Parts: sequence; structure tokens; C-alpha cells
Amino acid sequence: QSALTQPASVSGSPGQSITISCTGTSSDVGSYNLVSWYQQHPGKAPKLMIYEGSKRPSGVSNRFSGSKSGNTASLTISGLQAEDEADYHCCSYAGSSTYVFGGGTKVTVL
Amino acid sequence: QLQLQESGPGLVKPSETLSLTCTVSGGSISSSSYYWGWIRQPPGKGLEWIGSIYYSGGTYSNPSLKSRVTISVDTSKNQFSLRLGSVTAADTAVYYCARQPTAIVSLDYWGQGTLVTVSS
Repeated sequence: QSALTQPASVSGSPGQSITISCTGTSSDVGSYNLVSWYQQHPGKAPKLMIYEGSKRPSGVSNRFSGSKSGNTASLTISGLQAEDEADYHCCSYAGSSTYVFGGGTKVTVL
Repeated sequence: QLQLQESGPGLVKPSETLSLTCTVSGGSISSSSYYWGWIRQPPGKGLEWIGSIYYSGGTYSNPSLKSRVTISVDTSKNQFSLRLGSVTAADTAVYYCARQPTAIVSLDYWGQGTLVTVSS
């Protein structure tokens, strides 16, 4: 069970859209539409932003959206705002009631 | 409002056992709608799922940690616990507990996390 692959960093200017990729294998991301995304500000606990690939919990801005193609899931943040600057982590179900995270992506708002 | 709070020693010696407890308030750990999980994050690194437990005691663990991990639940105290044996410096991390709904595959409520350092 290897960690999912995320870019170390992604940046964008306020108002722009950015996309963070999360690449797994046919045993995890590719087999299940069960990827979740978490936002983590420095020194804080992660916050659920997207679950089951593309669903948003109540209270999460519709500027956040998720998708999947093959073994790669993606998180898109549209209308980038200063408060979106944080680390973002993807997580996939990997079968047999196990889960695997990505290495995390630091989003910088220029 | 549901709250989760981790507690336990912040310093553990190499080769010893790390023990943490997560206390759940504002909700029942005996609900059939949730698993309860442990996740860790080494300094400056990504998250790693350690394992999860159901109120009835059924557990699931990360295959890479399975031989060293024990997760248990105490419904009378609304708590669940983690024991990680034979620790090394590589186990130094912030340890989080979290709620894992059975209906949606995710971790929707998290504790604030507690730093555990493995050092002699």
C-alpha cells in the first residue's frame, strides 16, 4: 500500500482556479470513487472538503470541486482566495477497509 | 457539537509502547453509524491512516503498521485507544483521532492532535 502522489506545491493568484492532482493505482483511486480531500491550515487539524470524489459537506464553499479520471483524482479551487492558502491532502479507500493518503500539497496564493 | 480530544504521553522512549486515548464528547461512540479512526502526521510530512475501530470492537489497520498496532474501545467511557509497540524515531508525529461515518467514506470530525516524540 503506497502513498498517493500529489504535487508538493501549487500556486495561483486571487480569483484564479487551480487544480491539485492525486495519483494512485488501480487498487485504490482507480477502483473506487471514494476519494476525500482535506484542507489543513498550519498547526490545525485537517478539515473535510470533499468526500466520495465530488460531494461537498454542508458548509463547504462551492468553489471547491472534485473529480476523477482513471487512477487520478483532482481537487479544483475556483475563485482562489487568501484564506484558501493551506495544505491539501487526498485520501482514497484501498479495499479491505483500509485507506491511503497522499503526501499533501501546499497551496500558495500569490 | 461533537468534540474529540487526544490524550497521552508526549514523550516515549525507543522500543517502548506509545499509548493514546481519544475521548468523544457531544455524541455517542456506540452509534452504529460510525467508525473511529487514528491518523498521524510526521513533522513536515503528509497524513498516514493508522487504523479504525467500530463500537463493537471490530478493527482495521494499515498493513504497514498492523503488527505493532492495537486499537480498542471503551463504550462506558466514550473513549477509544491506540497502542503502537516497538516505537522508533520514525514514529514521531502528531497523532489525530477522527470520526469515520459508515455512510460516507471520509473522516468528518477530527481532534486537535497531540505530538508524540520518540526519544531517549
